[in-house]
Amino acid sequence: GNSVTQMEGPVTLSEEAFLTINCTYTATGYPSLFWYVQYPGEGLQLLLKATKADDKGSNKGFEATYRKETTSFHLEKGSVQVSDSAVYFCALYPSSSNTGKLIFGQGTTLQVKP
Amino acid sequence: SQTIHQWPATLVQPVGSPLSLECTVEGTSNPNLYWYRQAAGRGLQLLFYSVGIGQISSEVPQNLSASRPQDRQFILSSKKLLLSDSGFYLCAWSVVTDTQYFGPGTRLTVL
Repeated sequence: GNSVTQMEGPVTLSEEAFLTINCTYTATGYPSLFWYVQYPGEGLQLLLKATKADDKGSNKGFEATYRKETTSFHLEKGSVQVSDSAVYFCALYPSSSNTGKLIFGQGTTLQVKP
Repeated sequence: SQTIHQWPATLVQPVGSPLSLECTVEGTSNPNLYWYRQAAGRGLQLLFYSVGIGQISSEVPQNLSASRPQDRQFILSSKKLLLSDSGFYLCAWSVVTDTQYFGPGTRLTVL
């Protein structure tokens, strides 16, 4: 079946540090891949997406590359800020789906200290 | 542009009381609609999804139910709340594409 696995959190970094949050997936075919961010007390916001192998999604300094060979979609940012503190969710949309149902990872909490 | 609303934003209810949470979407037609629950410190659990008026699919058997009386309205209900129903409830929508867009959420505390 389809699944998404994220690295355990919380991830604690100092401001301006480099960020990597690992995400690997299991799916047949070529799913679409997403990163969502949830700030405290809010709903999820789409951060970036990629729909085919080797695509790179990017937004607000965050990047993730769709790696079919390693079934991964790791989230990176070169220099984090305190305002990036949030929960990050990796998700996939199966290529065979017709309902729009996303498969989410368990979420990774990022804490950035000044 | 499309917007999604949820209300109430916060709700405190006693055990055994009824529940009604509402979600509405503006600026789009015939969206797929979703209800998720997020328990404290945990991930997202898909509860219900709907591909059209009156069409509801349940993902997890429980004392909650959902209805879609209008194209852009999605309601989550319960006849008798349990302590375990506490959590953050999120509504989301999508159309044709694979991307879901989430509402601001409702924080439910059952005492």
